[in-house]
Amino acid sequence: AQKVTQAQTEISVVEKEDVTLDCVYETRDTTYYLFWYKQPPSGELVFLIRRNSFDEQNEISGRYSWNFQKSTSSFNFTITASQVVDSAVYFCALSEGASGTYKYIFGTGTRLKVLA
Amino acid sequence: GAVVSQHPSRVICKSGTSVKIECRSLDFQATTMFWYRQFPKKSLMLMATSNEGSKATYEQGVEKDKFLINHASLTLSTLTVTSAHPEDSSFYICSARTFGAGGYNEQFFGPGTRLTVL
Repeated sequence: AQKVTQAQTEISVVEKEDVTLDCVYETRDTTYYLFWYKQPPSGELVFLIRRNSFDEQNEISGRYSWNFQKSTSSFNFTITASQVVDSAVYFCALSEGASGTYKYIFGTGTRLKVLA
Repeated sequence: GAVVSQHPSRVICKSGTSVKIECRSLDFQATTMFWYRQFPKKSLMLMATSNEGSKATYEQGVEKDKFLINHASLTLSTLTVTSAHPEDSSFYICSARTFGAGGYNEQFFGPGTRLTVL
């Protein structure tokens, strides 16, 4: 069965610190997609990244970077030099390709608080 | 592109009334739409998958008679919460699926509807 685990419920950091949000997933499919979303207090989900199972290359986008390791079934997200505006709940999600349902399975989310 | 809207953004109703929430894909056709429910400080839980022109597929534990879903066109799906009760108060989010340029499945999320049942 598919599952996404975000063990960190809440993280607090001081502005300019680096922070890593962990995501561990379970799936039997060889084809799948992983996502990260940001949910600010307004509630609207903001898409951050999509990664397919065949692409293990790490990605950097500005202060954001992602580390995908199939060997450990992890897709971790790092924010460098955090800012107060980064405060939000971050969700990791998994979508399996073979099932044909295209459902997203979300982790429980990590609430990030960046203190000034 | 790929914008999904929801209406209303916020609704307050009395217990026992029914509430309809609309989800529209504004600039693309969505063969599949999904409805999620999110309790305060909790994750998004998939309620049902809605395919245009056919009956919705509900997740285990979701009452289909309570949460009526209609997907009458390729750009519109509606969720009706029938005989709402305070425990139905929640944040409801829809998403619409389309295929990206690389052939991958991608969902675009609406801004959500906050339902409060008094």
